[in-house]
Amino acid sequence: QSALTQPASVSGSPGQSITISCTGTSSDVGGYNYVSWYQQHPGKAPKLIIYDVSNRPSGVSNRFSGSKSGNTASLTISGLQAEDEADYYCSSYRSISTLVFGTGTKVTVL
Amino acid sequence: EVQLVESGGGLIQPGGSLRLSCAASGFTVSSNYMSWVRQAPGKGLEWVSLIYGDGTTSYTDSVKGRFTISRDSSKNTLYLQMNSLRAEDTAVYYCARGTGYGYWSFDYWGQGTLLTVSS
Repeated sequence: QSALTQPASVSGSPGQSITISCTGTSSDVGGYNYVSWYQQHPGKAPKLIIYDVSNRPSGVSNRFSGSKSGNTASLTISGLQAEDEADYYCSSYRSISTLVFGTGTKVTVL
Repeated sequence: EVQLVESGGGLIQPGGSLRLSCAASGFTVSSNYMSWVRQAPGKGLEWVSLIYGDGTTSYTDSVKGRFTISRDSSKNTLYLQMNSLRAEDTAVYYCARGTGYGYWSFDYWGQGTLLTVSS
């Protein structure tokens, strides 16, 4: 089961906005509005920051936003802060009751 | 407060069996869908298995027929029985709780337990 494709790394300066892409197929990202995004700091468990493409759980900063177009989902982090430096993973429901994660993106704050 | 605590990891030889446990508190395991997700050292997240509230289960292809997800409502604990273990199963295994508001998304995660499969 092949992973969703994410850029290996993205960087930005404090205050800037960055966007991470997550590309799949019509059997996952393109076929369902069930894309989630997770933030993972080194040695820590993942944290849910976006669910169902564009929804934020309670307590998650509104600097994080999600969207989708066709087979590609995107996570935008606006007003980049030092604490945003982490790994980010997308995930999507895939047909016949399975889940697939993205390859992961390391975000560096310059 | 919702908490998930995994246990049962360790070093095991290829071909061996092991059962991971995930003790939950602050909610009822059988009322939520629950999942196991693993992360090989230095690698990305990989979904392993999920159990719905009604007991229906699902697995990634690489563990089908070898791993079994289950739960014990009396102990409020999730399990992952792993048989015929391979070196490529080496990873930190996380249990995660399905959200009540999203689909196949997980809002609480345990701290993980490390499984090493090696001779």
